[in-house]
Amino acid sequence: GIQVEQSPPDLILQEGANSTLRCNFSDSVNNLQWFHQNPWGQLINLFYIPSGTKQNGRLSATTVATERYSLLYISSSQTTDSGVYFCAVDRRDNYGQNFVFGPGTRLSVLP
Amino acid sequence: DAGVTQSPTHLIKTRGQHVTLRCSPISGHKSVSWYQQVLGQGPQFIFQYYEKEERGRGNFPDRFSARQFPNYSSELNVNALLLGDSALYLCASSLERNTEAFFGQGTRLTVV
Repeated sequence: GIQVEQSPPDLILQEGANSTLRCNFSDSVNNLQWFHQNPWGQLINLFYIPSGTKQNGRLSATTVATERYSLLYISSSQTTDSGVYFCAVDRRDNYGQNFVFGPGTRLSVLP
Repeated sequence: DAGVTQSPTHLIKTRGQHVTLRCSPISGHKSVSWYQQVLGQGPQFIFQYYEKEERGRGNFPDRFSARQFPNYSSELNVNALLLGDSALYLCASSLERNTEAFFGQGTRLTVV
């Protein structure tokens, strides 16, 4: 099955710093989403981005489907950005929605 | 509009018991998927239902089953609970099979 890798596994930043999280996947996909998991376990949608570039405030994401990777950029980080960031992909030939999640990047933003 | 809602939020069960978890999708969404997340890992796919039919099944034993009702809500059932079934169970809904998915807050199951 499709493999999803995320890097770095852990990231510690001072408030105000910028960061880039990476997601690599091993096969063509028809859906890619980035999520932020809050301390209570809920997955918060950040981006639905099977290809191209999107921006939402301090966050932006780019997926280069032909090269099988996606990047999540966080600028001017805040303590509320802390948590685990997951990339999830759904294979191109899949009949339905079957997300494969990466192992996540745990982000800690220090005041 | 209400998001995806799951019930209960927390549950404690004894080994060997049966459990039923419930999920109400976003209004108008026809697809519901279930995921299991154990501590320290990413969620793992269990089932997907679309238009009340099973459309996908992950690598989980037959003790796990699910169904989708005419109003598109869904139940996940787990029989003969094991300690290893302790996890956060997440439900996701989407408008169609391959469109953007939205997750509920999860049900945290503890098996003792």
